[in-house]
Amino acid sequence: QQQVKQSPQSLIVQKGGISIINCAYENTAFDYFPWYQQFPGKGPALLIAIRPDVSEKKEGRFTISFNKSAKQFSLHIMDSQPGDSATYFCAALKGNTDKLIFGTGTRLQVFP
Amino acid sequence: KAGVTQTPRYLIKTRGQQVTLSCSPISGHRSVSWYQQTPGQGLQFLFEYFSETQRNKGNFPGRFSGRQFSNSRSEMNVSTLELGDSALYLCASSLDRPSTDTQYFGPGTRLTVL
Repeated sequence: QQQVKQSPQSLIVQKGGISIINCAYENTAFDYFPWYQQFPGKGPALLIAIRPDVSEKKEGRFTISFNKSAKQFSLHIMDSQPGDSATYFCAALKGNTDKLIFGTGTRLQVFP
Repeated sequence: KAGVTQTPRYLIKTRGQQVTLSCSPISGHRSVSWYQQTPGQGLQFLFEYFSETQRNKGNFPGRFSGRQFSNSRSEMNVSTLELGDSALYLCASSLDRPSTDTQYFGPGTRLTVL
């Protein structure tokens, strides 16, 4: 049972454009929603995270939008750069389990 | 501060063998989690250790086991290897609980089972 659904599977964006990746979750007990960035040959690295008490969090060019009623959250990358080309994973976690449940990943390619 | 290190980086084994992977967390981190990453299943949680005790476990068969030492270093063991165990095994460390402290991932160990 896939508890976190992520789309799209792949995304091609031109330099300077906006990249948008969406995730939906089923378990309302999730209370922590991080996004990870993974480059080839590397482990995932935390990019930005949000808790359900806020609807948006922005860090530089990266913004998480969170819709608790719809059980959806998304990552927006503004002014996308070729260096942003990587695989992005959304994830969710229940505080009392400490198990991160990952989405299936989105491969982002930003062309100059 | 050094990051999470994993050894070996690459490993080739044959079916039926067993394998041990090692993870050294960031200094001061006491929680170590293990994940399996495959193209088909994505990233899946294996288990988490804290202060030498397994605190959480994912849905993997008993062939997958782990342990943590007093210095927080952790090892993961897979016995009776199957072709489907071929994957990137990732270790992540955090100060305490992954739910409250950022998890930092290592580069992973790429296991190939022939």
